[in-house]
Amino acid sequence: GAVVSQHPSWVICKSGTSVKIECRSLDFQATTMFWYRQFPKQSLMLMATSNEGSKATYEQGVEKDKFLINHASLTLSTLTVTSAHPEDSSFYICSARDSLAGDYEQFFGPGTRLTVL
Amino acid sequence: AQTVTQSQPEMSVQEAETVTLSCTYDTSESDYYLFWYKQPPSRQMILVIRQEAYKQQNATENRFSVNFQKAAKSFSLKISDSQLGDAAMYFCADLGAQKLVFGQGTRLTINP
Repeated sequence: GAVVSQHPSWVICKSGTSVKIECRSLDFQATTMFWYRQFPKQSLMLMATSNEGSKATYEQGVEKDKFLINHASLTLSTLTVTSAHPEDSSFYICSARDSLAGDYEQFFGPGTRLTVL
Repeated sequence: AQTVTQSQPEMSVQEAETVTLSCTYDTSESDYYLFWYKQPPSRQMILVIRQEAYKQQNATENRFSVNFQKAAKSFSLKISDSQLGDAAMYFCADLGAQKLVFGQGTRLTINP
């Protein structure tokens, strides 16, 4: 299957700082990318959906000014957590799909663990 | 709205035995897809099996098979000949209206 990478795999930051997480599709064009958040022992919750070149669509309850998503190319999406606080500590997972190929399957990255001190 | 429910937070099975994980869903979409994902301790999401709702035949992938009951909105996963490597969190998911919605998950333990 297709490969999606995330960087970094683990990041620790101080409260009030911003953190950027990268998501890359390595061998296919990711026309649509998704960002999920997973708290310990819980399921994946969709945060936002982004189509290449367009503004992201955020799920209800997700602050778009706090979680900035950029999908400027067909292989890269970034999630920036602005002014991070301890309650933002979580596991962030991206996934990608090549919508233009008519393929509905999403391919998941390995996730990024964010710890805010 | 889409909802996916997994009523078994934890399940355990003896190695080499068979186990069935339950999942029910609710969707207003006429065209949708159902998935089972495995999340091992590494937390990498791994696709186990998928089912297109328009197909009547139950999907099968080696030791993994599903029982898709469309009218009942039920989508259970059967794992045959369980192996130690099957131990993981299993998530049922529904893709409708371009959005993938996950159930709460079932933690599967394999007893040697």
